[in-house]
Amino acid sequence: AQTVTQSQPEMSVQEAETVTLSCTYDTSESDYYLFWYKQPPSRQMILVIRQEAYKQQNATENRFSVNFQKAAKSFSLKISDSQLGDAAMYFCAYRSFEGGSEKLVFGKGTKLTVNP
Amino acid sequence: EPEVTQTPSHQVTQMGQEVILRCVPISNHLYFYWYRQILGQKVEFLVSFYNNEISEKSEIFDDQFSVERPDGSNFTLKIRSTKLEDSAMYFCASSDTGLYGYTFGSGTRLTVV
Repeated sequence: AQTVTQSQPEMSVQEAETVTLSCTYDTSESDYYLFWYKQPPSRQMILVIRQEAYKQQNATENRFSVNFQKAAKSFSLKISDSQLGDAAMYFCAYRSFEGGSEKLVFGKGTKLTVNP
Repeated sequence: EPEVTQTPSHQVTQMGQEVILRCVPISNHLYFYWYRQILGQKVEFLVSFYNNEISEKSEIFDDQFSVERPDGSNFTLKIRSTKLEDSAMYFCASSDTGLYGYTFGSGTRLTVV
């Protein structure tokens, strides 16, 4: 079964600085999708960015970018020019297609604090 | 932007009671899901639903749980006899293809007392 590991339970960053959140995963599939979700205090799950495994180019969405290392099974999220509104839990997720049906497998999350 | 709507936002129920959590997925989506997040823990898959039937369910989704799409728009999760350990945030999600990530609702916080 696929697993997703986020080794940093908490991270902090100064406003306007850059922070990188780590994620590793384990899979035997060759084609898959990876996602980062943000969960602010309101607890809604908001899609931040996604990466298709067959694409070598790292995904970017404005201040958010990923460093996808397929061989190392690593999928880190970089937040540039951090803003107070970026403070949230961040979950890395893997789209599993095991057994013919699909679901998201989540890591345990990283709590990001942004200091003014 | 289309949204997934969940009601109620918070429900308190007594142990042993039945609860129904409601969701209205995005109208042109075909895949529907329920996930659960116990406070402070990771988000866990409960069940997926496609073409009016369950595609997959997790070990958590035992006989106490059921899902239904009664009228082509609502998607409900029923817990027949709630336990204290069912207290959690329940998220509904929908997707058009399942490929590009899901749209989650804002969740229902279930408290079993």
